[in-house]
Amino acid sequence: EIVMTQSPATLSVSPGERATLSCRASQSVSSNLAWYQQKPGQAPRLFIYGASTRATGIPARFSGSGSGTEFTLTISSLQSEDFAVYYCQQYDSWPYTFGQGTKLEIK
Amino acid sequence: EVQLLESGGGLVQPGESLRLSCAASGFTFSSYALNWVRQAPGRGLEWVSGISGSGGSTHYADSVKGRFTISRDNSKNTLYLQLNTLRAEDTAVYYCAKGSTSWYDNWFDPWGQGTLVTVSS
Repeated sequence: EIVMTQSPATLSVSPGERATLSCRASQSVSSNLAWYQQKPGQAPRLFIYGASTRATGIPARFSGSGSGTEFTLTISSLQSEDFAVYYCQQYDSWPYTFGQGTKLEIK
Repeated sequence: EVQLLESGGGLVQPGESLRLSCAASGFTFSSYALNWVRQAPGRGLEWVSGISGSGGSTHYADSVKGRFTISRDNSKNTLYLQLNTLRAEDTAVYYCAKGSTSWYDNWFDPWGQGTLVTVSS
């Protein structure tokens, strides 16, 4: 099983600032990496797939990068609606696995 | 618009069974893999099971293998998850999620709103 490790667990950032979230895989997942956003009481929502492709309707301030074992989700200028929990997920091999999540909170 | 609507959750005792359903609309159902993902209270996401578009291939997390069974009825556009021998640690919100392909290398989009399963005596 591929273990996905996200860091940090919690990230405190002020609105308008840049946020960088990291995700590491225990073995290569190529570019088969997705990022999801989840807000309290809501289902997760796809934000990034293929490590760097924004899903439909996702603003350009969100960008994903990386391949192999190291991945990054960057939010260039945080808006109030961006504060949530973000999960990475590998879909390169079964069982598909998620990271434990990074909570992005307002500083 | 793609829609996924889960149902069937509830309160059960340890050792009992439950069947979850996910009714889908807005896409060619048999062309896409489907998955179940769960989230225990206050915890992260855990993939549970996936099934190919045809229904001929399935995978399970080790934590549920032998107890849960995923299936689909392509004539009814409905996904199922049979949960047997339930344990307290199976307590979670169960989401169904549409895969991006018929089987391999599929990300999940969209997700249903979830159904809560509580296992307690």
